[in-house]
Amino acid sequence: GDSVTQMEGPVTLSEEACLTINCTYTATGYPSLFWYVQYPGEGLQLLLKATKADDKGSNKGFEATYRKETTSFHLEKGSVQVSDSAVYFCALSPLYNNNDMRFGAGTRLTVKP
Amino acid sequence: EAGVVQSPRYKIIEKKQPVAFWCNPISGHNTLYWYRQNLGQGPELLIRYENEEAVDDSQLPKDRFSAERLKGVDSTLKIQPAELGDSAVYLCASNPRGGEQFFGPGTRLTVL
Repeated sequence: GDSVTQMEGPVTLSEEACLTINCTYTATGYPSLFWYVQYPGEGLQLLLKATKADDKGSNKGFEATYRKETTSFHLEKGSVQVSDSAVYFCALSPLYNNNDMRFGAGTRLTVKP
Repeated sequence: EAGVVQSPRYKIIEKKQPVAFWCNPISGHNTLYWYRQNLGQGPELLIRYENEEAVDDSQLPKDRFSAERLKGVDSTLKIQPAELGDSAVYLCASNPRGGEQFFGPGTRLTVL
């Protein structure tokens, strides 16, 4: 079935370092792709999304591009801050059922000052 | 606009005891989801409601789990009896109809 695989964590970076969290997907057709973020003690919240190939989602300095050739949706940020420390989840919603959301295992990011 | 509300935030019980979680979705959101999130994992769907109808409960362990959404608004998820392996965070989410889901803060359940 449709699924996502994301790089395992944890990831520890110094403030202002570059971030990349890899995510690849397996799906029938072209799903919608999402990145959710979960701050400590909170629920998941949508960070960005892309609904078709070559779309770029962006928010709060984070970006991800929907690449159908490599079936990937890697999350990037040029300069991380301590406040970016959280768990990041890649997810997809299948083309045939946009009520269905499949999540990756999550990647914990810690940014040190 | 108020977000998805869940209660309690934390619950500690002994195995074989019953437990219930409550969720109030965002006003106007027809679709409601219950997920279970095990430690170090992503959320996994337990059940999805469209208004008051459970349209996807294929992953709900029906021998001990039950859920209801009687008036198509708030919902309750129950476990009876709880087992050690049920320790997890139970998340509720809602959306108007497909696409982005809005999550509550979750209920962290510990079964001793």
